[in-house]
Amino acid sequence: GQNIDQPTEMTATEGAIVQINCTYQTSGFNGLFWYQQHAGEAPTFLSYNVLDGLEEKGRFSSFLSRSKGYSYLLLKELQMKDSASYLCAASLFSGGYNKLIFGAGTRLAVHP
Amino acid sequence: DSGVTQTPKHLITATGQRVTLRCSPRSGDLSVYWYQQSLDQGLQFLIQYYNGEERAKGNILERFSAQQFPDLHSELNLSSLELGDSALYFCASSVAQHTDTQYFGPGTRLTVL
Repeated sequence: GQNIDQPTEMTATEGAIVQINCTYQTSGFNGLFWYQQHAGEAPTFLSYNVLDGLEEKGRFSSFLSRSKGYSYLLLKELQMKDSASYLCAASLFSGGYNKLIFGAGTRLAVHP
Repeated sequence: DSGVTQTPKHLITATGQRVTLRCSPRSGDLSVYWYQQSLDQGLQFLIQYYNGEERAKGNILERFSAQQFPDLHSELNLSSLELGDSALYFCASSVAQHTDTQYFGPGTRLTVL
């Protein structure tokens, strides 16, 4: 079956760096998305990795290793507003169509 | 603001009732996706439409149905509502039906009493 795992909760200090890991066991894998979701709000797109390696976008970077079924989201210079859930989602081709399978999300709490 | 709109923002109804949730995709997007997010649970994919046609089905109950109209807006119909249907329902849209980024609307919070 399709499975995506990420830690349930993490805490970090303002100004620090945090890495949120995601592992997946899927078939028909196309790529890996990361979304940010504040409580009660819509998920917002952060990054999409198709090829192995690191994609940097400002304070946020995302890494993918297809052979290991592994991705991480790196958040630098943490700010209080970064307190949110971070959703890892695998893009899969299955049954003749593409779909996104979301992990349960990692709740990040940033403390002063 | 993602450009995806959803109405209503909140909906409170009773068990056994039927409701309709509405979604307008971003300008130019042909694909619409519906997701359910229950308390402390991940996003569960329900159904996808592309240019008016159903393309993919996820964990959608038989009591639920959806459609996409010629102007590309979509409606999700939930009937014979149960307490467990209380959740946030998100609509997302993308340009095509492949591996394009999905942009999410603000959601409709459904409370079934």
